Amino acid sequence: EDQVTQSPEALRLQEGESSSLNCSYTVSGLRGLFWYRQDPGKGPEFLFTLYSAGEEKEKERLKATLTKKESFLHITAPKPEDSATYLCAVLLSVAAGNKLTFGGGTRVLVKP
Amino acid sequence: NAGVTQTPKFQVLKTGQSMTLQCAQDMNHNSMYWYRQDPGMGLRLIYYSASEGTTDKGEVPNGYNVSRLNKREFSLRLESAAPSQTSVYFCASSAGESGETQYFGPGTRLLVL
Repeated sequence: EDQVTQSPEALRLQEGESSSLNCSYTVSGLRGLFWYRQDPGKGPEFLFTLYSAGEEKEKERLKATLTKKESFLHITAPKPEDSATYLCAVLLSVAAGNKLTFGGGTRVLVKP
Repeated sequence: NAGVTQTPKFQVLKTGQSMTLQCAQDMNHNSMYWYRQDPGMGLRLIYYSASEGTTDKGEVPNGYNVSRLNKREFSLRLESAAPSQTSVYFCASSAGESGETQYFGPGTRLLVL
């Protein structure tokens, strides 16, 4: 069964304290891995797509990396406005349709 | 561009009542999706429409029906609401074969009493 697991479930950081979020997956036929940010009461906002092991993408204080079994979202010198829930999702094989399977998310709180 | 819009933003229903959640996108996307999000369960796919005129079941379709009205609009109907359908519902769209990134609407919060 295809599974996507995110850890930790919650993360409390001081402003400027860098950390990493993990997204591990056990799926067959991975076509891509997506990271989203979700603020309370809002819909998920697209951040990154990674397609192959070794790929990295950056946006401001966020950097996403991908291996054959997991992805990391690194938050460098976070600010309070980086507080949100971060979701990862995997895009499966063509036979499974153009569907995403989501992990449970990591709630990040950055305190000033 | 408004992106993906959803109506209503919030709704309270009594058990057994019916309602339709509306979703529209202005990005000329081919594919559209309905998800529900529950605490501790993450986002789960209810139904999707790969292209205009087609719909398919997702992970949790029971108790729901969908209609792809045209390329822009994709509605989700609850025929007889149950308390277990209390959730936040998100609509999303993607370009389809030419692009897999899904873009989400702001959500509809549904409470079934």
